[in-house]
Amino acid sequence: EPEVTQTPSHQVTQMGQEVILRCVPISNHLYFYWYRQILGQKVEFLVSFYNNEISEKSEIFDDQFSVERPDGSNFTLKIRSTKLEDSAMYFCASSNLAFRSEKLFFGSGTQLSVL
Amino acid sequence: DQQVKQNSPSLSVQEGRISILNCDYTNSMFDYFLWYKKYPAEGPTFLISISSIKDKNEDGRFTVFLNKSAKHLSLHIVPSQPGDSAVYFCAASAMSAGNKLVFGAGTILRVKS
Repeated sequence: EPEVTQTPSHQVTQMGQEVILRCVPISNHLYFYWYRQILGQKVEFLVSFYNNEISEKSEIFDDQFSVERPDGSNFTLKIRSTKLEDSAMYFCASSNLAFRSEKLFFGSGTQLSVL
Repeated sequence: DQQVKQNSPSLSVQEGRISILNCDYTNSMFDYFLWYKKYPAEGPTFLISISSIKDKNEDGRFTVFLNKSAKHLSLHIVPSQPGDSAVYFCAASAMSAGNKLVFGAGTILRVKS
């Protein structure tokens, strides 16, 4: 069964450093998403991406965050200058449909720890 | 922001019995509701969904009930199996917001054998 792949599974970084979280969505999918879950809290929407541009973003997704699809297979989330509160599990998701939420497939996540 | 609430952090059930997980929402714009299941070190995986035009959807051992007037939905698992032990997330979306999901905090289900 096709799956969304995320690397690395764990990332430790110093506050103020830049991090790039990588995702390989399912190959025929067109819609891409990042969600995150701070320990003990809800899974929260960050951003959606379609046709090489951001479709929607949450309040969390400020100027420190950016997303990119640098080639035909990868989808990345960059945090320019990490803060302690960015520590969370980051989930990438993809879908081949815009409005059928059950067709959203999640990766296993990248656990980001900012020290 | 508490648009989707799962008030029970955990639930423990005996194997073979029914598990009932509950979820409440506040946003009237939500028209699609889903349950996701999550094992440790894995991402959420889709379990079952229901549109707001229905009040029940069944898939094998899993049934989701929706009470729109009460803004409440529940997931029934019967019979419960040890492999069902996981975190269950209720999520909601609005057609106007595409695939953007609003999640509840999750309920940890433990099925004891």
